Amino acid sequence: GAVVSQHPSWVICKSGTSVKIECRSLDFQATTMFWYRQFPKQSLMLMATSNEGSKATYEQGVEKDKFLINHASLTLSTLTVTSAHPEDSSFYICSARKGQVDEAFFGQGTRLTVV
Amino acid sequence: ILNVEQSPQSLHVQEGDSTNFTCSFPSSNFYALHWYRWETAKSPEALFVMTLNGDEKKKGRISATLNTKEGYSYLYIKGSQPEDSATYLCASDRWGGKLIFGQGTELSVKP
Repeated sequence: GAVVSQHPSWVICKSGTSVKIECRSLDFQATTMFWYRQFPKQSLMLMATSNEGSKATYEQGVEKDKFLINHASLTLSTLTVTSAHPEDSSFYICSARKGQVDEAFFGQGTRLTVV
Repeated sequence: ILNVEQSPQSLHVQEGDSTNFTCSFPSSNFYALHWYRWETAKSPEALFVMTLNGDEKKKGRISATLNTKEGYSYLYIKGSQPEDSATYLCASDRWGGKLIFGQGTELSVKP
């Protein structure tokens, strides 16, 4: 298998502040990583595709200015929730794949609570 | 079918029972179908990646079948054990990269 590490696992922040979540592939290089969000009792919803060295590709309905994604190296992608509000409270999880036909490896997820 | 749908949403079985879940997915532009097991407080873990129509894969007591023409996959667990308790997710891989997930089937196996 492969290891994807995500930090922090949980965070509480005040409304109006920004929060950064990191996703690292520890033992392989990932030119592409994916960010998902999960609402209670719902499926993992793809937010965006993070591409190393280029802009992220956002899914329809996801605000790119709210959810900033940076993929600065082959092993690190970050998701920054800017000016967070209570409605941004959710579970965020990243994944990476070694190749297009391979399984996805997931981080541990981050529980964000905005108060 | 435009979305990935799973049924049932939840399932409670006794230890030793065999069980199965269904995943329906768009059959157009099919690339692959993934199954994952997601245990509480852990990361989702891949069970199978299936690409060929009629394919059947097996890992221990768990197996899966795939019908790409009609757009469905079944996951079977033979002789369920308490450690099988988890949420089972399927995902459609239509563009060789992005995965579109179903809402999952939550399995609870009672000793």
